Amino acid sequence: DAGITQSPRHKVTETGTPVTLRCHQTENHRYMYWYRQDPGHGLRLIHYSYGVKDTDKGEVSDGYSVSRSKTEDFLLTLESATSSQTSVYFCAIRGSIGDTEAFFGQGTRLTVV
Amino acid sequence: AQSVTQLDSQVPVFEEAPVELRCNYSSSVSVYLFWYVQYPNQGLQLLLKYLSGSTLVKGINGFEAEFNKSQTSFHLRKPSVHISDTAEYFCAVSESGYNKLIFGAGTRLAVHP
Repeated sequence: DAGITQSPRHKVTETGTPVTLRCHQTENHRYMYWYRQDPGHGLRLIHYSYGVKDTDKGEVSDGYSVSRSKTEDFLLTLESATSSQTSVYFCAIRGSIGDTEAFFGQGTRLTVV
Repeated sequence: AQSVTQLDSQVPVFEEAPVELRCNYSSSVSVYLFWYVQYPNQGLQLLLKYLSGSTLVKGINGFEAEFNKSQTSFHLRKPSVHISDTAEYFCAVSESGYNKLIFGAGTRLAVHP
């Protein structure tokens, strides 16, 4: 299995609080992605990174920010959590663009109450 | 912009019957295509991928897919399914030279005895 660790695996938080999810990889892959998975929507891309300090927005980036200060870590922050951000969040890594597969973490289940 | 449409949200099928899960994509450039599988409470794992060359691609667990450029489709097939194939299946597209990996909404395959 690819070395990807997401933390925490489960979290319950209150509306309006900040939340940070962490994705850690040991593969030295250049590309890292954050997705959210919701019934009927599949996986939707939130943000992605193509190198240290290089990030870009995905399909559903509103309300989320990311940071990548080291190759191995990609952080997803919800500045002020809302109930609509209750979801399962997946991190993925990829060695190069285009023809290589993405490897996924086990997911973080976030509940905003 | 690239997009992926999975035409069936749920596919029920009896054990040992054949199955086809349909996927259409939209893109103005060359693409790489992927099928992923997600078992309950797990992350995603790659079933197969199309990069170039032969339009018929074989993957793990007896699955195969056919790339049809004129119809912009990448349908997944298996001639005889097992109970253990019950899972959610995702089609994904990546445009040549671009970072994003975009997923469809998923198809839930339910295999009944």
